Amino acid sequence: AQTVTQSQPEMSVQEAETVTLSCTYDTSESNYYLFWYKQPPSRQMILVIRQEAYKQQNATENRFSVNFQKAAKSFSLKISDSQLGDTAMYFCAATGANSKLTFGKGITLSVRP
Amino acid sequence: DTGVSQNPRHKITKRGQNVTFRCDPISEHNRLYWYRQTLGQGPEFLTYFQNEAQLEKSRLLSDRFSAERPKGSFSTLEIQRTEQGDSAMYLCASSSVLAKNIQYFGAGTRLSVL
Repeated sequence: AQTVTQSQPEMSVQEAETVTLSCTYDTSESNYYLFWYKQPPSRQMILVIRQEAYKQQNATENRFSVNFQKAAKSFSLKISDSQLGDTAMYFCAATGANSKLTFGKGITLSVRP
Repeated sequence: DTGVSQNPRHKITKRGQNVTFRCDPISEHNRLYWYRQTLGQGPEFLTYFQNEAQLEKSRLLSDRFSAERPKGSFSTLEIQRTEQGDSAMYLCASSSVLAKNIQYFGAGTRLSVL
């Protein structure tokens, strides 16, 4: 079983700047995966980035990268060169062998023009 | 590949009525998941199928909830005798081992129980 904690309810960033969203997790499993999903207003949830726990290298997808600290059970998302289209709710999630996703409460990110 | 499709998008019903939602997964995906999301919260797992077999159900899934996936294709989620507390967004997702078990979500069905 996993628990995922996102303690920041909302954040705001100026367009073109960098922002970091925090997430901590707990799990009893040795093999697990971590995700960041984005949910724009009134639109469906889409995958931003995925990290396999057994890989030490931090995942990167274009402007999105993670800082995966396994010992600290921390999994933060960095968004570089923020764009207006990045405005959305962001969810950190974890899954283990049973494949069901456990989500955090989410963080509302607003990108200011 | 048209993505995960959910119908209807919105459902308004009176307390005590039965409702049924449908999910059509991505065609080659063998796993299908149902989640429930209330306003301002993250989705919570309800149940999942591998092919036609329902492998796990959450304690959130009371006796009034039932899900099926006949022939391992589309899935239905039925709620009997709806209550106001059932009002939420019901999300469906699908995945496959070949797609690294990444779950792809549909747009959801928003249920309002009056």
